[in-house]
Amino acid sequence: EPEVTQTPSHQVTQMGQEVILRCVPISNHLYFYWYRQILGQKVEFLVSFYNNEISEKSEIFDDQFSVERPDGSNFTLKIRSTKLEDSAMYFCASSPGADTQYFGPGTRLTVL
Amino acid sequence: QKEVEQNSGPLSVPEGAIASLNCTYSDRGSQSFFWYRQYSGKSPELIMFIYSNGDKEDGRFTAQLNKASQYVSLLIRDSQPSDSATYLCAVRMSSFGNEKLTFGTGTRLTIIP
Repeated sequence: EPEVTQTPSHQVTQMGQEVILRCVPISNHLYFYWYRQILGQKVEFLVSFYNNEISEKSEIFDDQFSVERPDGSNFTLKIRSTKLEDSAMYFCASSPGADTQYFGPGTRLTVL
Repeated sequence: QKEVEQNSGPLSVPEGAIASLNCTYSDRGSQSFFWYRQYSGKSPELIMFIYSNGDKEDGRFTAQLNKASQYVSLLIRDSQPSDSATYLCAVRMSSFGNEKLTFGTGTRLTIIP
């Protein structure tokens, strides 16, 4: 059964450094998403991406964040200058239409 | 602020019994409702979705939706120890350009052997 994959599984970085989190959505899906979950808190929406552009973003998704679909398979989330409060699990999700979303295994980001 | 509320639990249920998980939402425009299961340290795993008022059954799981009361629930029959997890309720509005899911904080379910 097709799955969303994410790399790396764990990323440790210093405050102020740039990180890129990578995702490979399910191949025939058209909608792509990033969510994050701070330890012990709820899953929060960051951004949705459709037809090669951002369709919606949350207040969390400020100028430090960007997304890109550089080729036909990868979907990336870049954080330009990481802060301590960016430490969280970051989940990529994809959906075939604007309906059920399937989540990847996540990347645990630790900012020191 | 559009919210999704769940009882955080923990909810303890004997093995073989029915577990009942509840969720309320504040946005009357919400159209799609999802239940995800999340094991500790893992990602959300889709269990069921429901769009229309009433019940929807899939194996041991039944989702119930009442839009007038802004209430959605999940019943797990014949609970197994492997059902022990946090159950997340998620809600989505249907309007184009608004595909995001709004999650509740989750209910932690423990099945007692």
